[in-house]
Amino acid sequence: GAVVSQHPSRVICKSGTSVKIECRSLDFQATTMFWYRQFPKQSLMLMATSNEGSKATYEQGVEKDKFLINHASLTLSTLTVTSAHPEDSSFYICSARDYSLKLAKNIQYFGAGTRLSVL
Amino acid sequence: AQKVTQAQTEISVVEKEDVTLDCVYETRDTTYYLFWYKQPPSGELVFLIRRNSFDEQNEISGRYSWNFQKSTSSFNFTITASQVVDSAVYFCALSEAANAGNMLTFGGGTRLMVKP
Repeated sequence: GAVVSQHPSRVICKSGTSVKIECRSLDFQATTMFWYRQFPKQSLMLMATSNEGSKATYEQGVEKDKFLINHASLTLSTLTVTSAHPEDSSFYICSARDYSLKLAKNIQYFGAGTRLSVL
Repeated sequence: AQKVTQAQTEISVVEKEDVTLDCVYETRDTTYYLFWYKQPPSGELVFLIRRNSFDEQNEISGRYSWNFQKSTSSFNFTITASQVVDSAVYFCALSEAANAGNMLTFGGGTRLMVKP
């Protein structure tokens, strides 16, 4: 079964509204989560790295005031698209890093994605 | 800087054929990890395999096998006796140990279409 839950799976909203997307790790604690954006028939582009208890690290060209990230607990990160516009329509995917130095484990598991359509 | 190249953007095969998806990577780090993920039409990414740079042993898992060649910086993925359910986009990805948080760099993906 899924180890990372992403909700909602689909959002249709009016231009100017804000949309919150949740990403939860179900079976493990994730100090690090990632947010990606994927345009049709393209690869995943990293938007930001979300670290529990600290500010997110944004990739070049990603507006941090536009895409607010909060990683308040070891199992939950949220991405809020503020004042969404049609150009923000995309497929957003989160991942959570399952990491253990002791167990030599370091794998990113992905959520099912959120398809955002801004009218 | 790290980079992953999947030269094949689309591959179409007939069921039961074998197919190999190519992946070539670039990194300056001596410690790194390579991954393959499958993205079916539903959109979720499914983890298939992780390989670290010190382990060049090839791996087989059912109909899937992976060939890691450090000499050519390649990590190719072969599906034997392909099935329609294998139709998906497959992504190869690289993570450098030196990167805080071990962010993934993805290749452009290869769309595999398996026809009955």
